[in-house]
Amino acid sequence: QITLKESGPMLVKPTETLTLTCTFSGFSFRTSGVGVGWLRQPPGKALEWLALIYWDDDKRYSPSLQNRLTVTKDPSKNQVVLTMTNMDPLDTATYYCAHRPIATYGTLFDPWGQGTLVTVSS
Amino acid sequence: DIQMTQSPSSLSASVGDSVTITCRATESITTYLTWYQHKPGKAPKLLIYAASTLQSGVPSRFSGGGSETDFTLTINSLQPEDFATYYCQQTFRSPWTFGQGTKVEI
Repeated sequence: QITLKESGPMLVKPTETLTLTCTFSGFSFRTSGVGVGWLRQPPGKALEWLALIYWDDDKRYSPSLQNRLTVTKDPSKNQVVLTMTNMDPLDTATYYCAHRPIATYGTLFDPWGQGTLVTVSS
Repeated sequence: DIQMTQSPSSLSASVGDSVTITCRATESITTYLTWYQHKPGKAPKLLIYAASTLQSGVPSRFSGGGSETDFTLTINSLQPEDFATYYCQQTFRSPWTFGQGTKVEI
């Protein structure tokens, strides 16, 4: 059974850097093709994909945010870390990490973590 | 970027009804289309991938169809647990984009 859980601060100030950690179980980065994605949902708005890191350390970022995002992995800890710089109140959202399965039809996410609400406010 | 547009943005229905949600892409994505169900406070759940393939464990009252740019999600005989928000996502090309969601409510 694959599980993922996000952790990090619930509140950050504008201009600060957000660091979120995704801790997972049930799969490994030793498996070719696997990945972990980060997504978010601002209150009352739609889901938005942010970043994806693959088993081979290849990375993809949302073009609109790529200059603010960094994603890294620590296979020994089964963790993936997302950092987002220069946080703004518009970045207030529930942030999710999700498993990117191998052998699927394109890049989808299953399962997802429960999400963590991050509020940006002074 | 491939833009995804869902309609309607919300709909009201009753238990036992059948409902259809549509999703349109701004360019052809063949059948690289996924549907998720999202309930408040919970993780989004994968329902359908490859436009029409039901994820394991998902009830057969859910079905998906379409290709190229136009897709549908149909829920037959709505159950109380089906009241949620549904999102489509194109899995064709990065950046992977979602529709704005369709809230199915009583």
